[in-house]
Amino acid sequence: EDQVTQSPEALRLQEGESSSLNCSYTVSGLRGLFWYRQDPGKGPEFLFTLYSAGEEKEKERLKATLTKKESFLHITAPKPEDSATYLCAVQASGGANNLFFGTGTRLTVIP
Amino acid sequence: GAGVSQSPSNKVTEKGKDVELRCDPISGHTALYWYRQSLGQGLEFLIYFQGNSAPDKSGLPSDRFSAERTGGSVSTLTIQRTQQEDSAVYLCASSPVTWETQYFGPGTRLLVL
Repeated sequence: EDQVTQSPEALRLQEGESSSLNCSYTVSGLRGLFWYRQDPGKGPEFLFTLYSAGEEKEKERLKATLTKKESFLHITAPKPEDSATYLCAVQASGGANNLFFGTGTRLTVIP
Repeated sequence: GAGVSQSPSNKVTEKGKDVELRCDPISGHTALYWYRQSLGQGLEFLIYFQGNSAPDKSGLPSDRFSAERTGGSVSTLTIQRTQQEDSAVYLCASSPVTWETQYFGPGTRLLVL
């Protein structure tokens, strides 16, 4: 059964304090791994798609990496506006084409 | 361009009533998905439409839930005889084709009293 586990559940950082969020996954054939950002009361906002182990994507202070078992979202020198819930999702290569989501990491960046 | 839009943004209903939730996908996107997000839970897949193909209903939690997509564009999710456990945020997403990135709408917050 497809499974996505995100850790930690919540993370508090001082502004400028770099850290990483983890997404461990089990899927019967990975078509893609997706990172989204979700602000309170809003829908998920797309950040990155990763397709194969070793792939990396960057956007501003965020960098996503992928191995065969997990993905990391690295946040470098975060700012208060980076505070949000970060969601990881996988899409399997067989069966339904939906995304299977983890429960997210709630990030708070303190000024 | 315009993103995915959903209406209403909030809906309060009484137990046992039927509700309809609407989704307008991004123009030109052939794939459309419905998800449900309950408090403290991850997003849960409900149903998926691709073009004119029969929808994938494998995520619908009960036969009280149904959805249709008219003209390959707008979709309506209907919940009949609502229960309190149906209270959640219902999110719609669309993608250009099935395996490409899904873009989400703002969601409809449903509260069943």
